[in-house]
Amino acid sequence: DGGITQSPKYLFRKEGQNVTLSCEQNLNHDAMYWYRQDPGQGLRLIYYSQIVNDFQKGDIAEGYSVSREKKESFPLTVTSAQKNPTAFYLCASSMNSGVKEETQYFGPGTRLLVL
Amino acid sequence: DQQVKQNSPSLSVQEGRISILNCDYTNSMFDYFLWYKKYPAEGPTFLISISSIKDKNEDGRFTVFLNKSAKHLSLHIVPSQPGDSAVYFCAASRRGGRRALTFGSGTRLQVQP
Repeated sequence: DGGITQSPKYLFRKEGQNVTLSCEQNLNHDAMYWYRQDPGQGLRLIYYSQIVNDFQKGDIAEGYSVSREKKESFPLTVTSAQKNPTAFYLCASSMNSGVKEETQYFGPGTRLLVL
Repeated sequence: DQQVKQNSPSLSVQEGRISILNCDYTNSMFDYFLWYKKYPAEGPTFLISISSIKDKNEDGRFTVFLNKSAKHLSLHIVPSQPGDSAVYFCAASRRGGRRALTFGSGTRLQVQP
């Protein structure tokens, strides 16, 4: 059963703490993305990676870091520098086949709350 | 600067009627448009897409229309069903550069039985 998994479903962060959100896909997709959703707003791009060992900042990268050591995995770390981390975090992937019209498929999301 | 706008935060229709969700964009570099459906606390689910070389794409009860000159697209759902109740997001991607999506703020559709 191919898909994208995100864990945990809920995550609590204490002040000054770094936390890491997991995203794994078995769709054999090259490209992966992290978005953030705030209440009443659309999704905003944090980071994206079009190929292993390469990633680019999105529109709201400050306070976040990522790595892409494996094709299947794209973990997101929310650092203590992110002053307003409470949000719903969504991971997505796409084939990155070179065809410009590509659909992105999303995982179930992780809700991050600050204690 | 919001490049993709969904100006109606909510829409309520009766079961069996047509639902029309609208989306406007400002960036003329966008050339691929998608609609996603989202339930609370879940990831968005892809519904339907349209390339800028077309003006209509249909898939079952869902039809997307694109008016490039007006920079406007719409999603029609006919007939609407109670299970269609969700938040619908319009998204766009542009030729060249990154393929990440730019999303609108969403429209909450409520289909009344």
